[in-house]
Amino acid sequence: ETGVTQTPRHLVMGMTNKKSLKCEQHLGHNAMYWYKQSAKKPLELMFVYNFKEQTENNSVPSRFSPECPNSSHLFLHLHTLQPEDSALYLCASSQDGRTGGSRNDYGYTFGSGTRLTVV
Amino acid sequence: GQQLNQSPQSMFIQEGEDVSMNCTSSSIFNTWLWYKQEPGEGPVLLIALYKAGELTSNGRLTAQFGITRKDSFLNISASIPSDVGIYFCAGASNFGNEKLTFGTGTRLTIIP
Repeated sequence: ETGVTQTPRHLVMGMTNKKSLKCEQHLGHNAMYWYKQSAKKPLELMFVYNFKEQTENNSVPSRFSPECPNSSHLFLHLHTLQPEDSALYLCASSQDGRTGGSRNDYGYTFGSGTRLTVV
Repeated sequence: GQQLNQSPQSMFIQEGEDVSMNCTSSSIFNTWLWYKQEPGEGPVLLIALYKAGELTSNGRLTAQFGITRKDSFLNISASIPSDVGIYFCAGASNFGNEKLTFGTGTRLTIIP
């Protein structure tokens, strides 16, 4: 497989459930991101990982817990979510230009997203 | 923080028409990117701009990096039904700083 793959594509969960979203990239990138996309709102950056280390947490509630075991995989663990958390969750990866990436490599590559519905 | 204002928010045009949209920033960016998102998918990179004044084309799409480095424009010529989607601009302050700031998006609808 190539590119950025997200699973599952769709997820319906109750407020008391625990579930995880998975993202995998086969591009050799060293940075990965979680974004939340709600209807009629801009893309909201949630978490940034560089070389497996979390470098940014944009005031995300603790009911969202990211995990990056290696530079190719990123997870978002979900527990006790609220209905307002229903959204499209997008994963992206990029090559940090400071570590040898060229300008031709710049920009994020996004996955297709997980459509999450909290009931 | 940095903000990107994208306009228009939505467009309804007839097939064959040209489309123009723009993105303005309150601060300088050194890289501008344009993405397209189709229903049920993630955004896909269309064009990347790295130099003020740069004009770059990708098929029927043309994007320009504004001279002031605070704006960018995207034009689509002779629109076709598959152009439907949401177009996002994105900017970065420094090459190598991979954190992008995204615009609010322009939703394009083609009227048959």
